[in-house]
Amino acid sequence: GAGVSQSPSNKVTEKGKDVELRCDPISGHTALYWYRQSLGQGLEFLIYFQGNSAPDKSGLPSDRFSAERTGGSVSTLTIQRTQQEDSAVYLCASSLRVTEAFFGQGTRLTVV
Amino acid sequence: AQSVSQHNHHVILSEAASLELGCNYSYGGTVNLFWYVQYPGQHLQLLLKYFSGDPLVKGIKGFEAEFIKSKFSFNLRKPSVQWSDTAEYFCAVTPAQGGKLIFGQGTELSVKP
Repeated sequence: GAGVSQSPSNKVTEKGKDVELRCDPISGHTALYWYRQSLGQGLEFLIYFQGNSAPDKSGLPSDRFSAERTGGSVSTLTIQRTQQEDSAVYLCASSLRVTEAFFGQGTRLTVV
Repeated sequence: AQSVSQHNHHVILSEAASLELGCNYSYGGTVNLFWYVQYPGQHLQLLLKYFSGDPLVKGIKGFEAEFIKSKFSFNLRKPSVQWSDTAEYFCAVTPAQGGKLIFGQGTELSVKP
């Protein structure tokens, strides 16, 4: 596609429910990133996929968070048993191996 | 692992004032450096990047940044800001050979007309 696409754009969920956030990267991009952006907190790194290498999961805040990337393309970020502190904008980006990353519009998650 | 520090959280300037936003990184090897901008309600977009070569790099909209290796710095500058530059600015670093892209906390710039 022309850019990084994320869905849904907005998600409201009840505390304790699981949510799945989707990212469609730019075609041909081998690297994919997930970030969390909270008010006044900058961009918090969550996870990084590069080709067929094992993902760098060092930024995932707890074992409630997981992500996968199927076929080297689409990625899904799953948050289990959501908590209010999970409310944030979740951003996905993709890039070729060592070039600049291109960002999607994000998914705004609200846990009520 | 690399880290990035942006010294200014919120900067307020009048139009035509000069801008310098500080960025320092921590990493033991060669890096690629970036500045991204997020205008209100929009997604992050690249302002400029440094991979190698001339340490003074020019980006879009009159922005430039200088890589000073000895200071681990990559400060962003613009000689004369406009109201339309009001946005949040993020510095980012990644290992030159590839790896996760780490961002600073961001600097919110408000330009008064």
